[in-house]
Amino acid sequence: IAGITQAPTSQILAAGRRMTLRCTQDMRHNAMYWYRQDLGLGLRLIHYSNTAGTTGKGEVPDGYSVSRANTDDFPLTLASAVPSQTSVYFCASTSSRRPSGNTIYFGEGSWLTVV
Amino acid sequence: SQKIEQNSEALNIQEGKTATLTCNYTNYSPAYLQWYRQDPGRGPVFLLLIRENEKEKRKERLKVTFDTTLKQSLFHITASQPADSATYLCALSGSARQLTFGSGTQLTVLP
Repeated sequence: IAGITQAPTSQILAAGRRMTLRCTQDMRHNAMYWYRQDLGLGLRLIHYSNTAGTTGKGEVPDGYSVSRANTDDFPLTLASAVPSQTSVYFCASTSSRRPSGNTIYFGEGSWLTVV
Repeated sequence: SQKIEQNSEALNIQEGKTATLTCNYTNYSPAYLQWYRQDPGRGPVFLLLIRENEKEKRKERLKVTFDTTLKQSLFHITASQPADSATYLCALSGSARQLTFGSGTQLTVLP
């Protein structure tokens, strides 16, 4: 089934540890995104990539890094996790060839708890 | 500062009625406005997109309006059903192809 696959689905992580959330899409979409969702704050953009080889900072990039070595994969790394990074993380993608240009497809989320 | 506000965090309506959700924004000039549905524990799912030069868009029981003068979008679900219960998110897009989301309205349709 085509779509976005995120891993892990959930994780409990000790503060200070390094963690990479994986995201793979098989729709050949150019643009990919990482959002975090917190109660009362909605979805906030962490980092984005408009095409393979390029990345950009979103609204809340501090403490996170991304890479985009190819079209399909867009991993998000927490170099040294802190409790405030406890959240649900959503990977998303969009095709630049769609006439609308902006319909976003989301993965099912990675639930991260930092203790 | 830029802000997206969705009406009341929770909305309860009776089955068969029309649900109306509101999305207001400030300090944006969006090219597009989108609505998504999110079920508990799941990722958001795209419902409708409306462009700045469109007043209204329909899809089955869903209708979206977009008033760039009022800086407001209304999202209507007619003949609502308990299966329509979910959180509905509005999102604005600019030319940079990045979406900014509201915090959502949780809709409950009571049988």
